[in-house]
Amino acid sequence: DQQVKQNSPSLSVQEGRISILNCDYTNSMFDYFLWYKKYPAEGPTFLISISSIKDKNEDGRFTVFLNKSAKHLSLHIVPSQPGDSAVYFCAASGRTGFQKLVFGTGTRLLVSP
Amino acid sequence: KAGVTQTPRYLIKTRGQQVTLSCSPISGHRSVSWYQQTPGQGLQFLFEYFSETQRNKGNFPGRFSGRQFSNSRSEMNVSTLELGDSALYLCASNSGGPNSGELFFGEGSRLTVL
Repeated sequence: DQQVKQNSPSLSVQEGRISILNCDYTNSMFDYFLWYKKYPAEGPTFLISISSIKDKNEDGRFTVFLNKSAKHLSLHIVPSQPGDSAVYFCAASGRTGFQKLVFGTGTRLLVSP
Repeated sequence: KAGVTQTPRYLIKTRGQQVTLSCSPISGHRSVSWYQQTPGQGLQFLFEYFSETQRNKGNFPGRFSGRQFSNSRSEMNVSTLELGDSALYLCASNSGGPNSGELFFGEGSRLTVL
């Protein structure tokens, strides 16, 4: 069963606008949530994380929101840039640390000039 | 500081063969995790090694195995290859503690099984 779901396989946004990537999870035992970005032929790179005790975390143009009651998190990118075009993976972990992550299937973001 | 290094980057095998993939973590990192990425399945956790011991394991058959050496380098082996084993195999490392922060991934080894 897919414990972390990204229901949108792709998203297209114009440069300068907001990109919103969504992620749902089913396991209420998850303690941390992370977003990774992946370019073709490269490994995933860490973007931003949020602890389950928070509902928002911000880092520059990237903000992650967590709604625990809905088991939903989202990544906002403002403003979007063409260099943000990549596959974004949502991931979750329990209290044992980030070594064992449960990933979603990814959302391909395309930011056009 | 060098990143996570995986070898080989690409390889082609036939059904029934076995394969060994190698991963060198970031210097000082003691935990190495392995993930399989296939289209439509995202990244799926295979196993994690810390101080030469398997500490976590995912839901993969026994054909998938791994080990870690005293210098933290890790190998994973897949025996009796099946067509469905074709995937990108990603290795990741971090310090391994409970507050060790995010995983750092290598570029992966792309395995094609014919």
